Amino acid sequence: GDSVTQMEGPVTLSEEAFLTINCTYTATGYPSLFWYVQYPGEGLQLLLKATKADDKGSNKGFEATYRKETTSFHLEKGSVQVSDSAVYFCALTRSGGSYIPTFGRGTSLIVHP
Amino acid sequence: DAGVTQSPTHLIKTRGQQVTLRCSPKSGHDTVSWYQQALGQGPQFIFQYYEEEERQRGNFPDRFSGHQFPNYSSELNVNALLLGDSALYLCASSPDRGSSGNTIYFGEGSWLTVV
Repeated sequence: GDSVTQMEGPVTLSEEAFLTINCTYTATGYPSLFWYVQYPGEGLQLLLKATKADDKGSNKGFEATYRKETTSFHLEKGSVQVSDSAVYFCALTRSGGSYIPTFGRGTSLIVHP
Repeated sequence: DAGVTQSPTHLIKTRGQQVTLRCSPKSGHDTVSWYQQALGQGPQFIFQYYEEEERQRGNFPDRFSGHQFPNYSSELNVNALLLGDSALYLCASSPDRGSSGNTIYFGEGSWLTVV
């Protein structure tokens, strides 16, 4: 079945450091890929998405490129801020399927001043 | 434009009791899904409603049931509560269940604690 694997957290960084959170997936067909962010005590918010291979999703300084050859969708940001501290979830929805997203377990990011 | 709204935000129930959680989808959305998010885990799909019918169901027991109303709002009911049902329950809506690239919008969630 479909699955999403994220690097384990927490990821702890100093402000202005470079961020990478790895995400790989297993799915048949051509899934759409998403990154969601969950701030403490809140629901999930869509951060960015990519719907086909080689697409790059970007938002708020975050980027992720849909790499079909490596089945990956790694999240990156060049300079993190304390306000980026949150839990980040990678997810996929499979084309031709039920369009119910499959989520990874989430990666906690802690940014220190 | 109001997003997805859920109520209540927090509640505490005793083992064996029943609970009802409510959700209003984002304006223009007709598909509502419910998720359970245990502490430290990703959301787990419970079921999806479209046109007032349960269209898809995840791996949850029959104690979990739901309903969608003509105005697309939805309820999640859990009977015979267990301690393990303690979690954040998220409602999500989307405009069309038939597109994998559609953005799914989540509510803030309802925190359920079973004691």
